Amino acid sequence: EAGVVQSPRYKIIEKKQPVAFWCNPISGHNTLYWYRQNLGQGPELLIRYENEEAVDDSQLPKDRFSAERLKGVDSTLKIQPAELGDSAVYLCASSLDGQGVETQYFGPGTRLLVL
Amino acid sequence: AQTVTQSQPEMSVQEAETVTLSCTYDTSENNYYLFWYKQPPSRQMILVIRQEAYKQQNATENRFSVNFQKAAKSFSLKISDSQLGDTAMYFCAFMNDQGAQKLVFGQGTRLTINP
Repeated sequence: EAGVVQSPRYKIIEKKQPVAFWCNPISGHNTLYWYRQNLGQGPELLIRYENEEAVDDSQLPKDRFSAERLKGVDSTLKIQPAELGDSAVYLCASSLDGQGVETQYFGPGTRLLVL
Repeated sequence: AQTVTQSQPEMSVQEAETVTLSCTYDTSENNYYLFWYKQPPSRQMILVIRQEAYKQQNATENRFSVNFQKAAKSFSLKISDSQLGDTAMYFCAFMNDQGAQKLVFGQGTRLTINP
């Protein structure tokens, strides 16, 4: 079974530029998560989707961050414009559904460096 | 809000030794779930073990076991017969059972297994 797929693996951009990350969850997983992991810290949840619906986006900086999961499968996280403080690893995770405490499976992440 | 604290930023042991990683958490809830995740240098976060707070028996997965002390809000991970492949960042994480599906991570412990 294929795991969570993310692309790109690495991205270097200049500040004020836009950037987008893509995630394809494990087949059949209805719940999708985006986490941000700053250097030397644990991941922090940005947004959680149940199918197409964003059910928890309280930690998403909405002035510059946006996300979508139009068909309830893959998802895109966008930053526009990027700031120096956005340098981090962006992790995508998925789980079977949101009805119980399901194990979250993580992708390899996208390492973003903003210069 | 729940918090998770890992007081050991780094640990190093010899191969085949036993090592224990510490984790404490703060919550006012009675029912919740605790996890240990492993993040090797490749960055793919992998679930090592999970514990339901309502279960008194400590969880065990092969060489990995936990010491769950609910009253003390402590959740340590013991790795027996450590192997070189155990070298990784280890994150302790908390999730309530209120349906939020939100993992709250500690800062992580960098574990190095030396040959």
